[in-house]
Amino acid sequence: EIVMTQSPATLSVSPGERATLSCRASQSASSNLAWYQQKPGQAPRLLIYGASTRATGSPARFSGSGSGTEFTLTITSLQSEDFAVYYCQQYNNWPLTFGGGTKVEIK
Amino acid sequence: EVQLVESGGGLVQPGRSLRLSCAASGFTFDDYAMHWVRQPPGKGLEWVSGISWNSGRIGYADYVKGRFTISRDNAKNSLYLQMNSLRAEDTALYYCVKGVNPVGWFDPWGQGTLVTVSS
Repeated sequence: EIVMTQSPATLSVSPGERATLSCRASQSASSNLAWYQQKPGQAPRLLIYGASTRATGSPARFSGSGSGTEFTLTITSLQSEDFAVYYCQQYNNWPLTFGGGTKVEIK
Repeated sequence: EVQLVESGGGLVQPGRSLRLSCAASGFTFDDYAMHWVRQPPGKGLEWVSGISWNSGRIGYADYVKGRFTISRDNAKNSLYLQMNSLRAEDTALYYCVKGVNPVGWFDPWGQGTLVTVSS
C-alpha cells in the first residue's frame, strides 16, 4: 500500500498570499496523483489530476507539480473561497489512498 | 449535469448489515468505473471499494475486505455497497464517486449518506 503524507497539517495564510501544500508518497506514484478541495459540509471537489492537469472548472491560481514521491499544490493569491481542506490521492495502484489533508486557514 | 444520489444510510447495531445504493444520472453509467469513499466524522477520506464498468475488476480496502461487497446494475444506472458485520469504526459518511477507470481519480462526488454503527 502506498502511504500518502501531507504537510503541514494546518497552513495559516493571509488573503492574497501564496500557499504551498506538500504531499509525499511512501513509494513512487509516478504522476498518478490527484488533489481535492473540501469545504465544511460539502463533498470533496477534484482540482488536479495527473499531478499537474487542472480539472474542468478549477481556477488557474491552482497548480500542481511533482512526480514519483514528492508532489506540491500551489495556490497563488488566495481568495476567501479557497480556505478549505485539501487532500492528495494516489491512483498508481490499488488500494487507492489519500493523504491526511492540509487545512488552509485565514491568518 | 452528472448527479450521484446515495441512499440507505442510517443507525445500525454492531454486527448487523446495511445496503447502500447510489443512483447515477447525467452520464453514460456503463462507460465508467465507480467507487465508494468514506469519511469518518471529523476525519479524512478513505477509499472503500471500486468496480470497473463491466464488474470485471473489483477492489476493496483491507479494512472492509470480506465484509463489504460492491456491485452495480448498469440497466438501472445504480451502484451498491452491501455492508455486513458492521463495526463502530465503519461509522462514516459514505460517498458514491465516479471514476475515470478502476485505478484513477474521482470526479464528481455525491453528497454522501451517513452510516452510524452503535448499540
